Amino acid sequence: DGGITQSPKYLFRKEGQNVTLSCEQNLNHDAMYWYRQDPGQGLRLIYYSQIVNDFQKGDIAEGYSVSREKKESFPLTVTSAQKNPTAFYLCASSMGAGTYEQYFGPGTRLTVT
Amino acid sequence: AQTVTQSQPEMSVQEAETVTLSCTYDTSENNYYLFWYKQPPSRQMILVIRQEAYKQQNATENRFSVNFQKAAKSFSLKISDSQLGDTAMYFCAFTGNQFYFGTGTSLTVIP
Repeated sequence: DGGITQSPKYLFRKEGQNVTLSCEQNLNHDAMYWYRQDPGQGLRLIYYSQIVNDFQKGDIAEGYSVSREKKESFPLTVTSAQKNPTAFYLCASSMGAGTYEQYFGPGTRLTVT
Repeated sequence: AQTVTQSQPEMSVQEAETVTLSCTYDTSENNYYLFWYKQPPSRQMILVIRQEAYKQQNATENRFSVNFQKAAKSFSLKISDSQLGDTAMYFCAFTGNQFYFGTGTSLTVIP
């Protein structure tokens, strides 16, 4: 089955540690995205990538980093510089940037204490 | 700047009734797409319906339909014969050069 996987579903870390969230897609999509969702709020764009080895900052990139070494994979690292890392993180992909609809993974709930 | 506004944070509807969720957007682009996404308690985002701005005909997917008013920049979602499984957050989204999401409407279907 084609789709987007995110693992793990729940992740717990101590404050001051970096943590990497995985996102894999087998839809052969060129573009991939990371969003953050806080309670009662919509989705805020962290980073996006339109092609392998290239990515751009979204609206809230500070404290996050990404890589796009393979078309299928777009991992997100939440660094210790992110002041409020506890949130729900969604990964998405689309055929290309612009007018194509995005398809989402199941999300990862990160809790930092 | 492109914006998407959902002015109804919460709504409720009786099972089997019809409900309409509102969405307005602002853009200077002429070629764009609009979407409604559903996020049930599982938090999986699911695409409900898509509308191309150049098409005058309103999109329909089974019990879900839209009322697209391009001049008014309005894109409402109508859910007919509401079912308990329709209980979810609904997000309106706009895409031209970039994707923009509204803040969502929490819909509860009451048995």
